[in-house]
Amino acid sequence: GAVVSQHPSWVICKSGTSVKIECRSLDFQATTMFWYRQFPKQSLMLMATSNEGSKATYEQGVEKDKFLINHASLTLSTLTVTSAHPEDSSFYICSARIAGGGIGTDTQYFGPGTRLTVL
Amino acid sequence: DAKTTQPTSMDCAEGRAANLPCNHSTISGNEYVYWYRQIHSQGPQYIIHGLKNNETNEMASLIITEDRKSSTLILPHATLRDTAVYYCIVRVGLGNTPLVFGKGTRLSVIA
Repeated sequence: GAVVSQHPSWVICKSGTSVKIECRSLDFQATTMFWYRQFPKQSLMLMATSNEGSKATYEQGVEKDKFLINHASLTLSTLTVTSAHPEDSSFYICSARIAGGGIGTDTQYFGPGTRLTVL
Repeated sequence: DAKTTQPTSMDCAEGRAANLPCNHSTISGNEYVYWYRQIHSQGPQYIIHGLKNNETNEMASLIITEDRKSSTLILPHATLRDTAVYYCIVRVGLGNTPLVFGKGTRLSVIA
């Protein structure tokens, strides 16, 4: 159980184009999903928190108009990188929160990641 | 900001126990200790979490000191596939608070 998938696993695009990344919780419903990015040899950096049916909350320094997040259902969140540039090349990882049966059972499970390369 | 301190790297011989320490001296009473690992070019994998009691599952054991200011993750019989970056994270157990990752410990299991 607790499987999170991402699509695509990797993508190469030209500068100026937009890229959409999907994150799905396969065997559970996720009211909250999180988006992270990771540059080479660095740790994961939180980009935004996505709540089903409402606007995402972005971390300081993350442009909400550039990184569009949609969480239209309890099993799907999408991240669209608009007008991508080479500096947006990174490893993008989503995670979904399982709200369990009590305090301490709240756990985040991560997708396999999407490697974006912008030429 | 990450609220934990971990060694940058560690080596462990295959088949031996890997003991990964973590300091979290400013942990609050309602914060849990979570451990994740990230194998190269993959998403983080949940390992275990706990509040104050020691915990064990099929992957690992978590030992938390009585004052809760530090903890140790134990992989009882490390294999080459356990080579990864291990992250110790403290956060409240409920709500939408996301996991904040520090730099973690790079564990290398050596044959």
